[in-house]
Amino acid sequence: KNQVEQSPQSLIILEGKNCTLQCNYTVSPFSNLRWYKQDTGRGPVSLTIMTFSENTKSNGRYTATLDADTKQSSLHITASQLSDSASYICVVSGAGSYQLTFGKGTKLSVIP
Amino acid sequence: ETGVTQTPRHLVMGMTNKKSLKCEQHLGHNAMYWYKQSAKKPLELMFVYNFKEQTENNSVPSRFSPECPNSSHLFLHLHTLQPEDSALYLCASSQGASGNAKNIQYFGAGTRLSVL
Repeated sequence: KNQVEQSPQSLIILEGKNCTLQCNYTVSPFSNLRWYKQDTGRGPVSLTIMTFSENTKSNGRYTATLDADTKQSSLHITASQLSDSASYICVVSGAGSYQLTFGKGTKLSVIP
Repeated sequence: ETGVTQTPRHLVMGMTNKKSLKCEQHLGHNAMYWYKQSAKKPLELMFVYNFKEQTENNSVPSRFSPECPNSSHLFLHLHTLQPEDSALYLCASSQGASGNAKNIQYFGAGTRLSVL
């Protein structure tokens, strides 16, 4: 069964600090992996998308990595800001499929 | 704004009511989706429409009835819902319906539904 597991479930960090969120998946065959940011009361917004051949992709202070061999991805946030407080969702797409497998998300709280 | 607009943003309904959720996208996309998001659970795909044709019904109960009159509009008609149907209902659109990297899904802000 295709699954996406994210850790930690929640995280609290001080403003200005860095953090790393983890994503492990069992989706096979693999097509691409996406990270979304979901603010409270809003829909998810795409941050990055990586295919099999890409092992890192950045979007401002967000850097995603992908290890397709171990089926792991991480999202690193640099110099966190209060506006980074949100849920971060890892989503994996299987090759030849239009269905996406979603993780439960990591709820990040950035405090002053 | 993501280019995907959902109305209403909040809805409270009784189990015997009939209501409809509306989604409109201004992105020129061909595929539209309905998702259900419950607390502490991953997003659940409900329906997929590609060029106005339903291509996926993920074993959704018949009390949820989708309608896609054109590629820009998507409705979810609700009737005789149960309290466990209370959730955030998200609409999304993408250029195509395949899961390849070109088809990024853009989400609306969602409708928060409470069934009493």
